[in-house]
Amino acid sequence: DAGVIQSPRHEVTEMGQEVTLRCKPISGHNSLFWYRQTMMRGLELLIYFNNNVPIDDSGMPEDRFSAKMPNASFSTLKIQPSEPRDSAVYFCASAGPTVGETQYFGPGTRLLVL
Amino acid sequence: QKEVEQDPGPLSVPEGAIVSLNCTYSNSAFQYFMWYRQYSRKGPELLMYTYSSGNKEDGRFTAQVDKSSKYISLFIRDSQPSDSATYLCAMIRTGRRALTFGSGTRLQVQP
Repeated sequence: DAGVIQSPRHEVTEMGQEVTLRCKPISGHNSLFWYRQTMMRGLELLIYFNNNVPIDDSGMPEDRFSAKMPNASFSTLKIQPSEPRDSAVYFCASAGPTVGETQYFGPGTRLLVL
Repeated sequence: QKEVEQDPGPLSVPEGAIVSLNCTYSNSAFQYFMWYRQYSRKGPELLMYTYSSGNKEDGRFTAQVDKSSKYISLFIRDSQPSDSATYLCAMIRTGRRALTFGSGTRLQVQP
């Protein structure tokens, strides 16, 4: 299996622009998680989906952030408009259906907002 | 105060040393305990997984969970330069799926 796939791997954009991050989970996994990693705050959950349905979005910073999972093999995280404080590494992870199952992380998208 | 506390290091040890990494937590609802290893510019990868209290050993790695003290540890025996990475403790609380991470400890093993 190819593991969790994320694109793009790097993104540099200017403040105010829309940014879309993409994730393809491991085939057969029905839980998908978006995390953000910064030096100041470490790794934090933004949102997670179970069977394509958002279950916990308590970590989504504000209305500028939105996430979708239109099918079992694809998810997007969108930031509109982007701000310099959104600069971080965004990770997608997927897991099987059982509580406590291992989460497998993708390589991350390194976002820089100028 | 953060739910999970972890010393950020950096921790520098000579090759062959025994390394001890620790986390404390405040929420007694945490039931699943993991250690992830993260190399520079890579995603975290699962190293060890423990459910509730107890010890677990896998090769050179031993994970310990003491729920009464809200304290978890990872021991690395015969450390190697390839072990140089950031080690993140992570936990899942009852009724949730999301991981709550410590801030990570950066380990450097000197050859």
